[in-house]
Amino acid sequence: GENVEQHPSTLSVQEGDSAVIKCTYSDSASNYFPWYKQELGKRPQLIIDIRSNVGEKKDQRIAVTLNKTAKHFSLHITETQPEDSAVYFCAASFPPLMDSNYQLIWGAGTKLIIKP
Amino acid sequence: DVKVTQSSRYLVKRTGEKVFLECVQDMDHENMFWYRQDPGLGLRLIYFSYDVKMKEKGDIPEGYSVSREKKERFSLILESASTNQTSMYLCASSLGAGVNTEAFFGQGTRLTVV
Repeated sequence: GENVEQHPSTLSVQEGDSAVIKCTYSDSASNYFPWYKQELGKRPQLIIDIRSNVGEKKDQRIAVTLNKTAKHFSLHITETQPEDSAVYFCAASFPPLMDSNYQLIWGAGTKLIIKP
Repeated sequence: DVKVTQSSRYLVKRTGEKVFLECVQDMDHENMFWYRQDPGLGLRLIYFSYDVKMKEKGDIPEGYSVSREKKERFSLILESASTNQTSMYLCASSLGAGVNTEAFFGQGTRLTVV
């Protein structure tokens, strides 16, 4: 079935360094790839997303890249800060069955730790 | 500002009890979802609904049912709670009709079954 794999499960980086989280997806028909951030005790919130007609998207210190051929996409955070510490989830959309709507299939999450 | 509100933040129930988790959204979204979040397992879809009275099973529907009688409200029902249903439950909503759009989450309900 549809699957999204996310790596690593835990990532520890020094404050100011860059962090990269990678996801691979199984269905070549996927066309929407969001990234969510979940701070401790809070709800997941969208931080950036990319659609399949775009290879890269940036928003200040965060960027997402998409390689459709290889079916993988990555989140890049530059100049990391303590407030970047959180769990990050990737997701990929999968086409609807019958009369339903697109579904999001989620990665297992990456716990990002920023060391002072 | 989209608001997705879950009825309880923390809940403790006994094994065998029938449990209702309620979720309300105020943005007229077609899609509503119930997820279960466990450490290391990410967000697992229990059920979702793309219209009133419509529902589809997700990845882990066993032991759960849902109800969507009104567009703004999506209820998750544990017919007979068991200890392995102790978890964080997250509700979400999004615009529907085949459009890939942002999912907005509720604050979560941490359910403990004893």
